[in-house]
Amino acid sequence: DIQMTQSPSSLSASVGDRVTITCRASQSISTYFNWYQQKPGKAPIILIHSVSILQSGVPSRFSGSGSGTEFTLTINGLQPEDFATYYCQQTYDLGSFGQGTKVEIK
Amino acid sequence: EVHLLESGGGLVQPGGSLRLSCVGSGFTFSSYAMSWVRQAPGKGLEWVAGISSSGALTFYADSVKGRFTISRDKSINTLYLQMNSLRADDTALYYCAKDWSARTMYYFDSWGQGTLVTVSS
Repeated sequence: DIQMTQSPSSLSASVGDRVTITCRASQSISTYFNWYQQKPGKAPIILIHSVSILQSGVPSRFSGSGSGTEFTLTINGLQPEDFATYYCQQTYDLGSFGQGTKVEIK
Repeated sequence: EVHLLESGGGLVQPGGSLRLSCVGSGFTFSSYAMSWVRQAPGKGLEWVAGISSSGALTFYADSVKGRFTISRDKSINTLYLQMNSLRADDTALYYCAKDWSARTMYYFDSWGQGTLVTVSS
């Protein structure tokens, strides 16, 4: 099984900050890699798929990068509505998720 | 607009069974792979099971293999999850998720609101 490890597990940031979340896969997963956002009491929504492709309707302040086993989600200019939990997912072999990164207000 | 509506959750004793359903609308149900994803209270997301668009291929997480069965009925646009031999650690909110493609899996572009399963005596 492929394990996904996110870091940090939580972070505090201010509106306008640049935030970076990292996800590491236990083996190479090509470009079968996605990021989701989940707000309290809501279902997750897809932000970025295939490492760096922004889902339609997602603000351009979100971006994804990486390859092989190391991937990054960057939020440039954090907005109040971005405070949420973010999950990475690999679909190279089944569909395991990372443990999540909670982005809180500083 | 894609809509996924889960049902069938509830309180069940350890060792018991439950069948979850998810009705899809707003898209051609038979053209897309589907999955179940669960979230234990206060915890992260865990992919549970997936099924190809035709239903011919099914996939399971190790934690549920041999106990859960995913299936679909294209005539009524419904996805199922039959859960047997339930344990306390199966307690979670169970989401139905639509895949972007026919294959299993690529990424989940639509999710339901979930149905809660509680396993307790």
